[in-house]
Amino acid sequence: AQSVTQPDIHITVSEGASLELRCNYSYGATPYLFWYVQSPGQGLQLLLKYFSGDTLVQGIKGFEAEFKRSQSSFNLRKPSVHWSDAAEYFCAVRHPNDYKLSFGAGTTVTVRA
Amino acid sequence: EAGVAQSPRYKIIEKRQSVAFWCNPISGHATLYWYQQILGQGPKLLIQFQNNGVVDDSQLPKDRFSAERLKGVDSTLKIQPAKLEDSAVYLCASSSRSGGGADNEQFFGPGTRLTVL
Repeated sequence: AQSVTQPDIHITVSEGASLELRCNYSYGATPYLFWYVQSPGQGLQLLLKYFSGDTLVQGIKGFEAEFKRSQSSFNLRKPSVHWSDAAEYFCAVRHPNDYKLSFGAGTTVTVRA
Repeated sequence: EAGVAQSPRYKIIEKRQSVAFWCNPISGHATLYWYQQILGQGPKLLIQFQNNGVVDDSQLPKDRFSAERLKGVDSTLKIQPAKLEDSAVYLCASSSRSGGGADNEQFFGPGTRLTVL
């Protein structure tokens, strides 16, 4: 069965510190991989996506993610967080030939001054 | 380019009442999705439309939920009667077409937060 796991429910990080959010997936084949951010009262905004090729992908707002096939992981990173990065982050997958997005449960990020 | 619009943004009702949510997708987008996002979970697809036809409603609780997209543009999602467990954020998304492919990105609206008392 397909599944997406985000092991960390909540992460607190100091402003200016680095951030890494974990995502693991269980899938029959290598899926398309996505990271979305949801700020309070907002919809989901796509941060970045991986389809194929270079396993390190760059996204918006200074985020990057690395696909590791051997670990079935797609972890999201940011070198230096800003207070505006406080939000909920969702990892999602879908089969290349399908439209259905399967989401993880999300990780809430709190940024302290 | 205007994004996906949803209304109302918030709704509080009592159980057994009815409620309806409205979604206006990005202009020209043929495919429209409704998701349910329960607190502490990721969004779950309820129904997908391609133009005015239903592509997938396998996860829609049809005994109480209904959705329509009569003219292939706006869509309405209805719950009748509502239960406590329907409390969630209902997200609408649209994409230019159905199916897979690397370029078929879904764009999400701000959602409607429903509280059932």
